[in-house]
Amino acid sequence: AQTVTQSQPEMSVQEAETVTLSCTYDTSESDYYLFWYKQPPSRQMILVIRQEAYKQQNATENRFSVNFQKAAKSFSLKISDSQLGDAAMYFCAYRSSGLSTSGTYKYIFGTGTRLKVLA
Amino acid sequence: EPEVTQTPSHQVTQMGQEVILRCVPISNHLYFYWYRQILGQKVEFLVSFYNNEISEKSEIFDDQFSVERPDGSNFTLKIRSTKLEDSAMYFCASSAGRALGGYTFGSGTRLTVV
Repeated sequence: AQTVTQSQPEMSVQEAETVTLSCTYDTSESDYYLFWYKQPPSRQMILVIRQEAYKQQNATENRFSVNFQKAAKSFSLKISDSQLGDAAMYFCAYRSSGLSTSGTYKYIFGTGTRLKVLA
Repeated sequence: EPEVTQTPSHQVTQMGQEVILRCVPISNHLYFYWYRQILGQKVEFLVSFYNNEISEKSEIFDDQFSVERPDGSNFTLKIRSTKLEDSAMYFCASSAGRALGGYTFGSGTRLTVV
């Protein structure tokens, strides 16, 4: 079974600085997808960035980028130029490339990292 | 931007009572999901639903749980006889299909069983 581990329960970063959130996972599959979700105080989980395992190039979305190390099964999120609005819980999630017969799929989440942004 | 709407945001119920959590998925989405998050723990998959049938369910989703799409708009999670350990945040999500885009999650319902 696949597992996702986030070893940092809480992180702090100064506004405008850069922070990296760690995520490791375990799987025997060769093809899969990885995601970072943000959960602000409003509680809605918002997709931040995704990475296909077959792509060697690290995904980037504006100030958010990942460092995907497939062999090490590591998937860290880097937030550059941190803003107060980045304060939230961040979840790393794994999704198998396979689908159910009806086309649904499920995520396996880590326990989350709470990011505090200091003004 | 389209949203997944969940009601109520917080529900308190007595142990043994039935509770229904409601969700309105995005209108053109076809796939629906429930997840739960016990306080301080990871978000866990409960069930997926497509074409008026359960597609997949986890070990957590036992006989006390059921899901329904009663009117083509709402998607509900019913817990028949609540236990203290059912206290959690319950998230509904929907997706348009098999695309990589991921789900759209709702803001969750915090269920407190007393």
